[in-house]
Amino acid sequence: QVQLQLWGAGLMKASETLSLTCAAHNGSFTGHFWSWIRQSPGRGLEWIGEINHSGSTNYNPSLRSRLTLSVDRSRNQFSLKLRSMTAADTAVYYCARRHFDAVGFDPWGQGALVTVTS
Amino acid sequence: EIVLTQSPATLSLSPGERATLSCRASQSVGTSLAWYHQKPGQAPRLLMSDASDRATGVPARFSGSGSGTDFTLTISTLEPEDFGVYFCQHRYKWPPWTFGPGTKVEIK
Repeated sequence: QVQLQLWGAGLMKASETLSLTCAAHNGSFTGHFWSWIRQSPGRGLEWIGEINHSGSTNYNPSLRSRLTLSVDRSRNQFSLKLRSMTAADTAVYYCARRHFDAVGFDPWGQGALVTVTS
Repeated sequence: EIVLTQSPATLSLSPGERATLSCRASQSVGTSLAWYHQKPGQAPRLLMSDASDRATGVPARFSGSGSGTDFTLTISTLEPEDFGVYFCQHRYKWPPWTFGPGTKVEIK
C-alpha cells in the first residue's frame, strides 16, 4: 500500500520561496496524478495543483503565477515550489495521490505546517 | 470555479444515532463528488468517491447518494471513531478541484 512522506521548510519569511518534496513508497508511480493540497483556518482545504509521472500538470489558477510542480521518476518523488510567499500562504500542506480517472485523493501524506512571517 | 457548500456546519449527535450530511454544488458536477473524514491533527481520509462508492476499508454504515448539485453522506449508526469533520470535494471536467467548508460531527 502506497505511503506518502512529505518534507520541507516549516518557518519562512515573506517573499521567500517554499520548497516541499513528497516521496511515494511501496506503490506504482505511473497511472496517477500526484497532488498538493493545503489547509488553513481561513481558506479551508485548497487544491494547489497536480502532476503525473510524465510531468503533465494541472494548476489552481489562483496560484499558477507563483507555482511550479516537478517530478523525479527515478526517485518516485514530486516537488512543489511556491514563490513570493506571504502570510496568506500559512497553512498545513499535504501531498496526495489521485488515480487518473478517480474523483478523490487517496492516500494523503502526513502534512507539513508552513508558517510565513513578515 | 465550482463552489461547494455544506450543511449543517455542526451536527451534535450521540453514538448510535444516524447522521445525515449535505453537500451542494454551485453547478452540476454529475456524480464526480468525493467525501472525506478528518480527525484532529490528521490528514483527511477518503470515504466515498463518485458520490456513492465506498473507498477501500470504509465500513458499510457509510453511504453516499446524489447527483447533479445535491449530495448526501449518511452514517447509519454513529460509532465513537466517526466524530470529526467531513468534507466534500468535486472533480468535474476542469480544474480547480474544490472542497466544501466541512461539517463538524460532535458528540452530544
